[in-house]
Amino acid sequence: DQQVKQNSPSLSVQEGRISILNCDYTNSMFDYFLWYKKYPAEGPTFLISISSIKDKNEDGRFTVFLNKSAKHLSLHIVPSQPGDSAVYFCAAILDSNYQLIWGAGTKLIIKP
Amino acid sequence: NAGVTQTPKFQVLKTGQSMTLQCAQDMNHNSMYWYRQDPGMGLRLIYYSASEGTTDKGEVPNGYNVSRLNKREFSLRLESAAPSQTSVYFCASLGSFGANVLTFGAGSRLTVL
Repeated sequence: DQQVKQNSPSLSVQEGRISILNCDYTNSMFDYFLWYKKYPAEGPTFLISISSIKDKNEDGRFTVFLNKSAKHLSLHIVPSQPGDSAVYFCAAILDSNYQLIWGAGTKLIIKP
Repeated sequence: NAGVTQTPKFQVLKTGQSMTLQCAQDMNHNSMYWYRQDPGMGLRLIYYSASEGTTDKGEVPNGYNVSRLNKREFSLRLESAAPSQTSVYFCASLGSFGANVLTFGAGSRLTVL
């Protein structure tokens, strides 16, 4: 039973446009969410996070939105750049030992 | 600063063979983690170590053992490899819970024939 779901395996966006990556979760006890970015042959790197007490967090071109009632979060990238082409993972913190539950990832392709 | 270093990067094993994946971090972090990543799935936690001298099972610990040798090093051992353990393995470390950011190694791709 997947507690964190990323239903789009891939997404293709024109350079300069907005990229929107989606993530759904089932466990209402999750109270902290993170997005990681992964390039081929590298480990994931942290991108942005959001606490359940907020509904939005912004960092430069990246904004994460959280809708607790819908158990949904999204990552917006504006404007999209070629270097943004990567796999993006959504994750939720499960417990105080920092166990994360991960989505399956969405491969973002930015077209020139 | 190397961050988190994993060895080897690639390994091919035959069913039943054993091997150890090594992980070291130079950031003086307390917590360390071993994940596996399979196609179409998110990362799944195998084992973690919240501090030197302690280890705990994660979501998928069967078939694996770990050792937290010291604060820097956390190794993952496959005693009798099976084809189902073909995967990419990632080690990660966490400085403090408040930081909420894992630092990952580059991964170790393991194939079991």
